[in-house]
Amino acid sequence: RKEVEQDPGPFNVPEGATVAFNCTYSNSASQSFFWYRQDCRKEPKLLMSVYSSGNEDGRFTAQLNRASQYISLLIRDSKLSDSATYLCVVNLGAGKSTFGDGTTLTVKP
Amino acid sequence: DTEVTQTPKHLVMGMTNKKSLKCEQHMGHRAMYWYKQKAKKPPELMFVYSYEKLSINESVPSRFSPECPNSSLLNLHLHALQPEDSALYLCASSGQGGGGYTFGSGTRLTVV
Repeated sequence: RKEVEQDPGPFNVPEGATVAFNCTYSNSASQSFFWYRQDCRKEPKLLMSVYSSGNEDGRFTAQLNRASQYISLLIRDSKLSDSATYLCVVNLGAGKSTFGDGTTLTVKP
Repeated sequence: DTEVTQTPKHLVMGMTNKKSLKCEQHMGHRAMYWYKQKAKKPPELMFVYSYEKLSINESVPSRFSPECPNSSLLNLHLHALQPEDSALYLCASSGQGGGGYTFGSGTRLTVV
């Protein structure tokens, strides 16, 4: 089993749609969690950190469920500019993090 | 503008060449990383430096040799690479505790 498993996608949604991605992790000792966004041929960029209490930033909401060992990312009112690959990252501490394989989102007019 | 600067942006090298990738950050971060990313795959960790000391080497072949001259600089020395080493090489830095990386824009390496 992979340490971090992510919805494979791709997700193709119309503008204005709500879309949710999930990511599960296997190591219960994982310490911190993040969502990154990566555009084609660009570097990953930190989108948001994920906490058990939830984290909201505008149209984006991230949630952590430690009991079920998954994190989620919800995007409301999708924009064309949201089209990208979304990577979940699970940090094990001591400088080591594991990336999910990424989920590709395409928002269409 | 990225706060982690990588040079060069593109590099083509032969299998007998020696080259170096450079990374610089001025964020005061004490952890720096090298990642390798192939097309349509997530980044794979290669090396971690913490407080200028190598703390993680993910069984990377010795043809890749990292160096951390000071807290702001990270180099990756390349020698006798293979075509399958062609990839995007990403440098990142983070504050204490890892995760929350700031990535550089990467060096796109082609080995011919």
